[in-house]
Amino acid sequence: QKEVEQNSGPLSVPEGAIASLNCTYSDRGSQSFFWYRQYSGKSPELIMSIYSNGDKEDGRFTAQLNKASQYVSLLIRDSQPSDSATYLCAVSPNNNDMRFGAGTRLTVKP
Amino acid sequence: ETGVTQTPRHLVMGMTNKKSLKCEQHLGHNAMYWYKQSAKKPLELMFVYNFKEQTENNSVPSRFSPECPNSSHLFLHLHTLQPEDSALYLCASSPLGNTIYFGEGSWLTVV
Repeated sequence: QKEVEQNSGPLSVPEGAIASLNCTYSDRGSQSFFWYRQYSGKSPELIMSIYSNGDKEDGRFTAQLNKASQYVSLLIRDSQPSDSATYLCAVSPNNNDMRFGAGTRLTVKP
Repeated sequence: ETGVTQTPRHLVMGMTNKKSLKCEQHLGHNAMYWYKQSAKKPLELMFVYNFKEQTENNSVPSRFSPECPNSSHLFLHLHTLQPEDSALYLCASSPLGNTIYFGEGSWLTVV
């Protein structure tokens, strides 16, 4: 079983729509959860972190965490073409490292 | 500018060459990492250093040799690599147990 699983996509949404990205993880003891965005040919950049169950909002982005279901998601409201990228879910099971999913490729069509 | 600088950005090397990747962080973090990113695969953690001490080595072949002379610098020495080692190598740093910040990566091609 993969430690962090994401649907590879591609996920395609029209401009202005809500994009929903999902991630599940296997280590029930994980405490820290992150979403990174990676544009083609670039390195990952942090979008959001979330540590407790529930929703966390930052501008057009909302991260949702459900530890009981071992599930974390990212919603992007009012999607823009500039949001087109690969989104990486990352989970930190301890203080030493971070495990990444393979990423979901998102395309926002004008 | 992420505060994590990697050089070179692009490297082409033969299978018998010896080369090194360099990483420097200006963020005052105490943990540094090497990750490998191959096409359509998850980021693979290679090495972790906390306060200059290696705390994790994820079964990486010995042809990859890390060096961490101080908490701001990290090297990845490369020797007799294989074509399948061609990938993007990402250096990252973090305050221990917290968010990881990546450098821009070094694109490695082994010919």
